Amino acid sequence: GDSVTQMEGPVTLSEEAFLTINCTYTATGYPSLFWYVQYPGEGLQLLLKATKADDKGSNKGFEATYRKETTSFHLEKGSVQVSDSAVYFCALFNAGNNRKLIWGLGTSLAVNP
Amino acid sequence: EAGVAQSPRYKIIEKRQSVAFWCNPISGHATLYWYQQILGQGPKLLIQFQNNGVVDDSQLPKDRFSAERLKGVDSTLKIQPAKLEDSAVYLCASSPPGDANYGYTFGSGTRLTVV
Repeated sequence: GDSVTQMEGPVTLSEEAFLTINCTYTATGYPSLFWYVQYPGEGLQLLLKATKADDKGSNKGFEATYRKETTSFHLEKGSVQVSDSAVYFCALFNAGNNRKLIWGLGTSLAVNP
Repeated sequence: EAGVAQSPRYKIIEKRQSVAFWCNPISGHATLYWYQQILGQGPKLLIQFQNNGVVDDSQLPKDRFSAERLKGVDSTLKIQPAKLEDSAVYLCASSPPGDANYGYTFGSGTRLTVV
């Protein structure tokens, strides 16, 4: 079945460091890919998405490119801030799979000043 | 566009008591989901509705959990009786019809503590 694998955390960075959180997937058909963010004590928020191969999703300085050849959707940010400290979830949405989101286990990011 | 509304925001109950959570999805969103998120883990799908019909409830502990979606709009999730391991955040989400792959919109969740 469909699955998402993301790098384990926690990830600890200093402010202004470069961030990469790896995400790879296994899926039939042509899924859409998402990154969700969960700030401490809050619900899940959609950070960015890509719905077809080679699409690049971007938001708040974060980017991820849908790479079908490597089945990857890595999250990157050039310069992280303390306010980016959160848990990041990679997810796959396959409309042919009863419209379910398949989730990665989440990666915790802590950014120190 | 108004978001997914959930209430209450927080709830503390004793084990063996019952509790109910309410969700109002985004207008026009046919699909509604209830997730359970235990601290430090990813969300786990409990039940998925398409309009007022259940699409998937395979991970819903049916001996104690129940959910309904009256008239295909609002939904209620109930736990009776609660156990300590039910302590979690209960998230409601909705998605629009069609294959647009917009993804889900989540509510802020209800944080349940069972003591």
